[in-house]
Amino acid sequence: GESVGLHLPTLSVQEGDNSIINCAYSNSASDYFIWYKQESGKGPQFIIDIRSNMDKRQGQRVTVLLNKTVKHLSLQIAATQPGDSAVYFCAENSLVPFSGGYNKLIFGAGTRLAVHP
Amino acid sequence: EAQVTQNPRYLITVTGKKLTVTCSQNMNHEYMSWYRQDPGLGLRQIYYSMNVEVTDKGDVPEGYKVSRKEKRNFPLILESPSPNQTSLYFCASSYRGGITYEQYFGPGTRLTVT
Repeated sequence: GESVGLHLPTLSVQEGDNSIINCAYSNSASDYFIWYKQESGKGPQFIIDIRSNMDKRQGQRVTVLLNKTVKHLSLQIAATQPGDSAVYFCAENSLVPFSGGYNKLIFGAGTRLAVHP
Repeated sequence: EAQVTQNPRYLITVTGKKLTVTCSQNMNHEYMSWYRQDPGLGLRQIYYSMNVEVTDKGDVPEGYKVSRKEKRNFPLILESPSPNQTSLYFCASSYRGGITYEQYFGPGTRLTVT
């Protein structure tokens, strides 16, 4: 079945270090992936996305890498700051059959990133 | 400011007492969804709507109802809440026809059913 999962439920890093959050997906037909950040008491917020025709995409301090061969997605955060402490979710799109073109997002369980001073 | 709003943010109720959680978006999005978030399970879709009067079941629809009478509003209805519906609920909206499937989330509603 379709699934999106994460290897590490909790990641602790020192302020200033780089962080890498990993995600495995199982649906080889997915062509779009998103990383969301969820701070305590808030809804998920978009960080960065990538389409399946790309291997890498960079944003401000964040980079997403996509390895379609092994169905693996990662989020790299450079120079991690205390404000980066949150739960991070990866999500993949999945076309809903007989829906007239609706693509739902399938979310992983999340990884908590804890940044220590 | 572009946003998705939900009310109430916190709700404690008893088993069987009907409740409605409202959701509204001001971005003129066609698509709207409801999710529940439980520890270790991530976000699971309850219902979605592709437009006014067009709704369909997501992955965990049992015990829930929705309606979409106006484009901006997508209320979630629990006709007879049960303790297993204690959860954190998120409403989301997205634009139809874009090249991405990004969803914009509301702040969440924490529901406790005793």
